[in-house]
Amino acid sequence: DIQMTQSPSTLSASVGDRVTITCRASQSISSWLAWYQQKPGKAPKLLIYEASSLESGVPSRFSGSGSGTEFTLTISSLQPDDFATYYCQQYNSYSRTFGQGTKVEIK
Amino acid sequence: EAQVLESGGGLVQPGGSLRLSCAASGFTFNNYAMSWVRQAPGKGLEWVSVISGSGGSTYYADSVKGRFTISRENSKNTLYLQMNSLRAEDTAVYYCVKEKLVRPVFDYWGQGTLVTVSS
Repeated sequence: DIQMTQSPSTLSASVGDRVTITCRASQSISSWLAWYQQKPGKAPKLLIYEASSLESGVPSRFSGSGSGTEFTLTISSLQPDDFATYYCQQYNSYSRTFGQGTKVEIK
Repeated sequence: EAQVLESGGGLVQPGGSLRLSCAASGFTFNNYAMSWVRQAPGKGLEWVSVISGSGGSTYYADSVKGRFTISRENSKNTLYLQMNSLRAEDTAVYYCVKEKLVRPVFDYWGQGTLVTVSS
C-alpha cells in the first residue's frame, strides 16, 4: 500500500504569512494527489486535485505543486478563515490514502 | 447542487453489526463512484471503501476487508455500508463521499454519522 507522510504535523503562523505544507508518497504517484481543508466539527473540503488543479470556488491564494513522490500545498497569504487542518490524499492505486494531517494554528 | 446525507449510525456492542445509508441528490447518481471515509475521534481521515457507478467494482481498506460490504441501489440513489464484526477501533464518524468523474477525489461530503462500538 502507498503511504503518505505530511510535514509538519503542526504549523504556527500569522495572518499574512506564506505557508507551505509538504506531502511525501512512499512510491511514485505521478500527479494523482489532492489536498483537503477541514475545520473542527465539519466535513473536509476539496481544495486541489491532480497536484495543482484548483477546485472551483477555492481562493487563488491556495496552490499545489509537485509530482512523483513530493508535493506541496502553499497558501500565499494566510487569512483568518484558513486556520484549519489540511490533508493530502493519493489516488494512484485503486485505494485512496490520506496523509496524517497538518494543523495550521494561530501564532 | 450535489448533496449526500448519511444515516444509520449509533451505539453497537463489539462483534455487532450496523448498516449505514447515504441518500444522494442533485447529480446523476449512477454516473459516479462513491466512497465511505471515516474519522476516529480526534484522529485523521481514513478511506474505507469505494464502489463504482454501476456497482460492479468494489474495493476496501485492509482494516475493514472481510467485515464491511459496500453496495448501492441506483434506482433509489442510495449508498450503503454493511458493517459486521465491529470492533472498538471502528468507532468513528463515517462520511459518505461523492467522487469526481474519472478522478478518485472527493468533491462532495455528507455531514457524517457517528458509529460508536462499545459495551
